[in-house]
Amino acid sequence: GNSVTQMEGPVTLSEEAFLTINCTYTATGYPSLFWYVQYPGEGLQLLLKATKADDKGSNKGFEATYRKETTSFHLEKGSVQVSDSAVYFCALEGSGNTGKLIFGQGTTLQVKP
Amino acid sequence: DTGVSQDPRHKITKRGQNVTFRCDPISEHNRLYWYRQTLGQGPEFLTYFQNEAQLEKSRLLSDRFSAERPKGSFSTLEIQRTEQGDSAMYLCASSTGQGADEQYFGPGTRLTVT
Repeated sequence: GNSVTQMEGPVTLSEEAFLTINCTYTATGYPSLFWYVQYPGEGLQLLLKATKADDKGSNKGFEATYRKETTSFHLEKGSVQVSDSAVYFCALEGSGNTGKLIFGQGTTLQVKP
Repeated sequence: DTGVSQDPRHKITKRGQNVTFRCDPISEHNRLYWYRQTLGQGPEFLTYFQNEAQLEKSRLLSDRFSAERPKGSFSTLEIQRTEQGDSAMYLCASSTGQGADEQYFGPGTRLTVT
């Protein structure tokens, strides 16, 4: 079945450091891929998405490229801020347009000033 | 638009009791999803509705769980004869139902079964 694997956290970085959070997936067909973020005390919200191979999703300085050959969707940001401290979830939506999301276990990011 | 709301935000119940949660989606959204999240894990899909029709249920959803969306607006999730293993955060999300569209999540209902 479909599944998502994320790197384990927590990840602790200093402000302005480069961020990578790894995400790989297993899926049949052509899934859509997402990163959702949960800031402290808030609900899950979409950060970015990509719907086909080689697409790059971007938002708020974050980027992720849909790599079908490596079944990956790694999240990157060139310079993190304290306000980026949150839990990040990689997710996929399988083919069939159900909208059903399969999430990874989440990666906690803590950015220190 | 006030976003997705859930009620209650917290529920503590004794094992064996029944509980019911409510979700109010964004008004123009056709799809409504329920997920369950335990500590340190990502959300797990439970079920979803397209308007009032329940189109898919996860195998996680045992016979003790039932969900409804009677008029295609709000939804309820009921757990009968609660067990300690049911303790989790129950999340509701809604979307327009277009391909790969954003799901908007509510704040969740945290259930503790003692």
